[in-house]
Amino acid sequence: AQKITQTQPGMFVQEKEAVTLDCTYDTSDPSYGLFWYKQPSSGEMIFLIYQGSYDQQNATEGRYSLNFQKARKSANLVISASQLGDSAMYFCAMSGGYNKLIFGAGTRLAVHP
Amino acid sequence: DVKVTQSSRYLVKRTGEKVFLECVQDMDHENMFWYRQDPGLGLRLIYFSYDVKMKEKGDIPEGYSVSREKKERFSLILESASTNQTSMYLCASSLRLAGGYTGELFFGEGSRLTVL
Repeated sequence: AQKITQTQPGMFVQEKEAVTLDCTYDTSDPSYGLFWYKQPSSGEMIFLIYQGSYDQQNATEGRYSLNFQKARKSANLVISASQLGDSAMYFCAMSGGYNKLIFGAGTRLAVHP
Repeated sequence: DVKVTQSSRYLVKRTGEKVFLECVQDMDHENMFWYRQDPGLGLRLIYFSYDVKMKEKGDIPEGYSVSREKKERFSLILESASTNQTSMYLCASSLRLAGGYTGELFFGEGSRLTVL
């Protein structure tokens, strides 16, 4: 069975610093996708970044990058130059099994001025 | 822009009532999903559908059923609501990619259900 684990219930970072949010996954499927979503206090789910299991390079989207280590089954999100607006819940997710997308428990990030 | 619309943002129901949560998407997506979100547990998949009239159980289907009679609409039904079904319910849709894998999910705004 597929599983996503986010071991950090809460993190804080100083504004303008970088922060890494951890995500490990477990799957026996050779082909899968990894996603990160942001959920601010308003409740909307915002897609941030995607990494395919066969992608050779780590995905990047602006200040977001995904540190994909396939052998370790980890897909950590790195946010560079944190901003106050980055304060939110962050969810790691994996497309595992036919059409299924499963989520981790989330990490709450607080950015301090 | 993709739009996923959930019929009710807030509902209050009584134990034993039948509850319908409706979700409509306007991007012709094959896949639709229902999740519930609880603090500390993240998003847990209740049911998903990859085509009209097709449905698959997620991780926590007990106490729920779904209906997908049209491609754009996916309904979640609580046959007899219980207090432990008090939660935030999120609907999402996505394209179905080659090989059957799921593309990026687009979410609705959520429906907060309270069962008294």
